[in-house]
Amino acid sequence: EPEVTQTPSHQVTQMGQEVILRCVPISNHLYFYWYRQILGQKVEFLVSFYNNEISEKSEIFDDQFSVERPDGSNFTLKIRSTKLEDSAMYFCASRDTRYEQYFGPGTRLTVT
Amino acid sequence: AQKITQTQPGMFVQEKEAVTLDCTYDTSDPSYGLFWYKQPSSGEMIFLIYQGSYDQQNATEGRYSLNFQKARKSANLVISASQLGDSAMYFCAMREDTGNQFYFGTGTSLTVIP
Repeated sequence: EPEVTQTPSHQVTQMGQEVILRCVPISNHLYFYWYRQILGQKVEFLVSFYNNEISEKSEIFDDQFSVERPDGSNFTLKIRSTKLEDSAMYFCASRDTRYEQYFGPGTRLTVT
Repeated sequence: AQKITQTQPGMFVQEKEAVTLDCTYDTSDPSYGLFWYKQPSSGEMIFLIYQGSYDQQNATEGRYSLNFQKARKSANLVISASQLGDSAMYFCAMREDTGNQFYFGTGTSLTVIP
């Protein structure tokens, strides 16, 4: 069964460093998403991506964040200058034209 | 206003019993979808069930059913014959058809007692 994959599973970085989180959505899906979940809290929407551009973004998704689909398979989230409060689990998700979205296993980002 | 409200931070249920997890939503869009996801302690998000706003019947998927009451704007998840493996966080979510964003509730932690 096709699934969303994410790498790395855990990333540790120092405050102020740039990180790139990688995702491979399900191959025939058209809509891609990034979410974050601070430990023990709700899942927060960051951004959605469709047709090679951002379709929606939340207030969290400020100028420190960017997304890219550099080729036909990868979907990346870049955080330019990480802050302590960026420590969270980051989930990638994708969906086709149907309704449900499927999540990847997540990348745990720890900023020290 | 919160788009999705889950008022039960934690629930307990005896193994083999049924349990209802509450979810209410807020939208003025006539067309939307409602979803439930399970998040076990391992952290992954598992899609459970979907209900469309125009669906006449309540959605069912195996032991999961969605009690959809449109006038009350509620979309409660019913798990029948609870199993120990059902212990997890459960999130209710909504997507309005006018947009791509999924809105999540704060989750309900379910513990199944042997």
